[in-house]
Amino acid sequence: EAGVAQSPRYKIIEKRQSVAFWCNPISGHATLYWYQQILGQGPKLLIQFQNNGVVDDSQLPKDRFSAERLKGVDSTLKIQPAKLEDSAVYLCASSPPAGTGFSEQYFGPGTRLTVT
Amino acid sequence: AQKITQTQPGMFVQEKEAVTLDCTYDTSDPSYGLFWYKQPSSGEMIFLIYQGSYDQQNATEGRYSLNFQKARKSANLVISASQLGDSAMYFCAMREGYNDYKLSFGAGTTVTVRA
Repeated sequence: EAGVAQSPRYKIIEKRQSVAFWCNPISGHATLYWYQQILGQGPKLLIQFQNNGVVDDSQLPKDRFSAERLKGVDSTLKIQPAKLEDSAVYLCASSPPAGTGFSEQYFGPGTRLTVT
Repeated sequence: AQKITQTQPGMFVQEKEAVTLDCTYDTSDPSYGLFWYKQPSSGEMIFLIYQGSYDQQNATEGRYSLNFQKARKSANLVISASQLGDSAMYFCAMREGYNDYKLSFGAGTTVTVRA
């Protein structure tokens, strides 16, 4: 079974530029998550999708971050404009639908963003 | 308030010895799950072990075991017979409720295994 795919793996941009990250979850996984992991910290949830609907985006800085999940499969996370404090690893994860019993989240390799 | 607390920023362990990583949690939901993930320097998050709040027995997966003390709200990870490849960052995480799988993570503990 193919894992969660993310691209790009690395991105360096200047502040005030825009950037987009892409995630393809495991086939059949209805739930998709984007996490931000700042160096030395644990991941922090930015947004959670169930199919193509948003379940939780309470910690997404909506003035600069946006995310969408087209047709309930792939997802993109965009930052516009980027700030220095957005430098982090952006992790995408997926899981089967909630309420189907135990299931861990499966994580992608992450995108390491450096804002200069 | 922090939902997951990991108080050990870093630990050293000798190869072939056991190491215990501390994790305490805070929730008022009777249904919750506790996870441990390993994050090597390459960056991917690797699932290690899971403990449900209603599970009667402590979870074990190979060299990993979870010391679940519900009354103390602690879920410590024990790695037995440490190997050099165990050197990594370890995160404790929690999901709350039966119908939501999103995770709250602790700050992590760095484990360095010495030969």
